[in-house]
This record gives sequence, C-alpha cells and structure tokens, in this order.
Amino acid sequence: ILNVEQSPQSLHVQEGDSTNFTCSFPSSNFYALHWYRWETAKSPEALFVMTLNGDEKKKGRISATLNTKEGYSYLYIKGSQPEDSATYLCAFHSGGGADGLTFGKGTHLIIQP
Amino acid sequence: DAGVIQSPRHEVTEMGQEVTLRCKPISGHNSLFWYRQTMMRGLELLIYFNNNVPIDDSGMPEDRFSAKMPNASFSTLKIQPSEPRDSAVYFCASSQGTARGYGYTFGSGTRLTVV
Repeated sequence: ILNVEQSPQSLHVQEGDSTNFTCSFPSSNFYALHWYRWETAKSPEALFVMTLNGDEKKKGRISATLNTKEGYSYLYIKGSQPEDSATYLCAFHSGGGADGLTFGKGTHLIIQP
Repeated sequence: DAGVIQSPRHEVTEMGQEVTLRCKPISGHNSLFWYRQTMMRGLELLIYFNNNVPIDDSGMPEDRFSAKMPNASFSTLKIQPSEPRDSAVYFCASSQGTARGYGYTFGSGTRLTVV
C-alpha cells in the first residue's frame, strides 16, 4: 500500500495572503506526481503533472515544486482569491503501465474575504 | 469534446439490488480508471483499463464488484448485490496513457446511495 500524505488537512487563509501546503510520497519507484484541484460539487481537475526531481511548474498564481529524493512536493498559491477555495489533491504514480494514481486525502483550502 | 461522461449522476437503490454505473471516456484516451470516493478513505482506485484490457483490479473490494470495457468508448462498473456500505461517489477518469506527463480527466461522478 502506497502512503501519500497531505498536510495540513484544512487551511483558512485571508484573501490576498499567500499560502502553501505539502504532499509527501514514497521516495522509491517514483514515476510522476500529480496535483488536482477539486471544487465542491465538481470533479477533480488536473493542475500539474511533475516528473523530474527539481521540477517547478506554474499556472497563474499557483506553482508547485518537486523533490523526489526526499519524497515531497509543495503547492504554492500567491495572493489567494476566494475562487481558490477548493480541495487540492496530490497523487503519486509509481510506474507507467503498472499502477493507477494513489491519491492523498487532500488539503481543504478556504479563502476568507 | 464533452469530457468524460458518467451516468447516472445519482442512484438510490435498495440493498440487494444490482447497480450499473456507466462511463464514456474522452475519445482518443486509451486508459480508463474507476475510483471510489468516501469520507474515510478518500479517492481509492478500484480498477483500470489500458486499451480496453483490465490491467489492475486489485482495488475492487470484493466479488460483488465487476467492471467491463467492451470497447474504447464505454465502460461499466457493476455491483451485485449492492450493500449500504457501497454508498459513495464513484468517479470514472480517462487519460491518454499511463506514461509520464498525462493527467487524468475525471467525470462528474455517480453518487450512489444504497438503503
């Protein structure tokens, strides 16, 4: 059983503040690390797929970094807006063609106006 | 593209009845995944198909669960007989492959309630 942990479980952030949260995953048999954004009453949407140690990806105000040697990834949101409120899921991919994604339980982010 | 299409959106059924959930993946995606979402366990992989062939069904809870993919544009997840503990949201997702770099596209899910 693969262990993918996300912290914190939930987070309240004031509008305009920046924030970040963590995903930890097994450091062996790494293949890819995915981040998804999941709004209430919708389905998860892919944010990033990261494959190389040291990868840094950015989409607007959201960015992510990856450290495969120590088994963690950070997701950063700069200048939080109310529309950023969602659950952010990370998912670990341990091998192409062998396994589906193993998801963490997510960080539930609430942006307070 | 209409995205991944799941039906029904909601299903309420009585314990012991057969339930069939349906999924149409994005055209051209050759991998399809069934996940179950519960409060306790989060998103759990049940089974996935690559080019219509089941690759890993180790996440299927028990023999009451079965999944098929008769062609590239359709998959079903069947529960027979259903039990109250099967109540959850079931998501189907598809991707261009299991190779690196391909994110998943999720359907809207089927919320199943077994009473």
